[in-house]
This record gives sequence, C-alpha cells and structure tokens, in this order.
Amino acid sequence: SQTIHQWPATLVQPVGSPLSLECTVEGTSNPNLYWYRQAAGRGLQLLFYSVGIGQISSEVPQNLSASRPQDRQFILSSKKLLLSDSGFYLCAWRTAGGFTEAFFGQGTRLTVV
Amino acid sequence: DQQVKQNSPSLSVQEGRISILNCDYTNSMFDYFLWYKKYPAEGPTFLISISSIKDKNEDGRFTVFLNKSAKHLSLHIVPSQPGDSAVYFCAASARTGANNLFFGTGTRLTVIP
Repeated sequence: SQTIHQWPATLVQPVGSPLSLECTVEGTSNPNLYWYRQAAGRGLQLLFYSVGIGQISSEVPQNLSASRPQDRQFILSSKKLLLSDSGFYLCAWRTAGGFTEAFFGQGTRLTVV
Repeated sequence: DQQVKQNSPSLSVQEGRISILNCDYTNSMFDYFLWYKKYPAEGPTFLISISSIKDKNEDGRFTVFLNKSAKHLSLHIVPSQPGDSAVYFCAASARTGANNLFFGTGTRLTVIP
C-alpha cells in the first residue's frame, strides 16, 4: 500500500533562518507531488507541484522553493524565512492523470518568530 | 483568484439530522470534484468524489451532488454524527493541463450531540 511521510511535525524558526521540509512517498512510482499551505483561517493554497524528477512548477510567487531530487522525494525550502511564511504545510501525492484523489501527509506546523 | 469557493465558514447541526455543505466553482474546465475531511493538525483525508459525467454519487452516509449548469456541488451527510465534526474542503481538478487539485476555503461542521 502507498504511504506518505512528512517531517518534522512542528517547527519553530526565527525570521531569516533557512527552511527544509521533506516529504517521501512509498508504494507508488512517478506520482505527481504537491506542496500546499494552510494559513490561519484560510483554505489550502497550492504552492508547488511536480510531475517528475527535477520538474517543479510554482503556483504563487513567494519566498519558498521546491525540489524533487528523486522520484518519490519532494522538498520545500527557503533561504530566509519571513513571518508571513508561518502556516501549516502539507505534502500530497496523486496518480498522474485521470480521476484520482490526492493523498496527504500529516503536515508540518511552521511558526516563524 | 479563488476558483473553488465555500461561502459558509461554519455549520452547526443536531446529531441525527442532515448536514449539507455547499461549494461553488468558476472554472468550466473542472471535471472531477472531491470532498475532504480535516481534523486540526492533521492532513486532509479523502471522503468522496464525483466526475462531471454524473450528477450524484453515494457512499454510505455521504452523498455528493453536482449541478454543472450552476457550477455547484454539495455534500450531504445523513445522519450526522458527532464524529463528523471537522473542517470539510471541496476540491476540483481538470484533466487538461497540470491536473492539479484546487481547494476551497473549508467549512467547519459541528455536530451537536
């Protein structure tokens, strides 16, 4: 069966510090991978998606970047965090194409102080 | 620009009664629609979906209705149970293009025992 792992679960970082959140998927090949953010009182905003190794597309301009160094690994990064980067970050995977659901990790609560 | 909208941020329902959660979308290319349930500090979990070739899909206590002409879908939960209390997100995707999932802002359902 497929599983998705996302870590860490919580993170408190000072403004200006770097960020690296990691997500890995098991039990499937060539998934579409996604990073979403849920800010306080808001919905799930799509930040990045990837359809293959090294292929990253950004949905919104921001202080963050993403990378996919391996087929089932997706990394969200920042060189210098801003206060506005605080939120709940979710990684998800989905079978490419067709009518399928996305499966989410447990999320990372990031607080920038 | 929010392509998927949930205009009711919250809903309270008595246990045993019907819960109706609504969702509107603007992109006429969307052809697959999903509902997710989310508890605090956890990732969303998939509930039920519907493709644009149908107008109704049922799974146990959950039924999703799709009105393509009105670009509107709804989730019915009957009977509602206290364990249904959570935030419910509507999502939509199109098979053309990147096939990404776009989410609404969520509706917090509270089922009162």
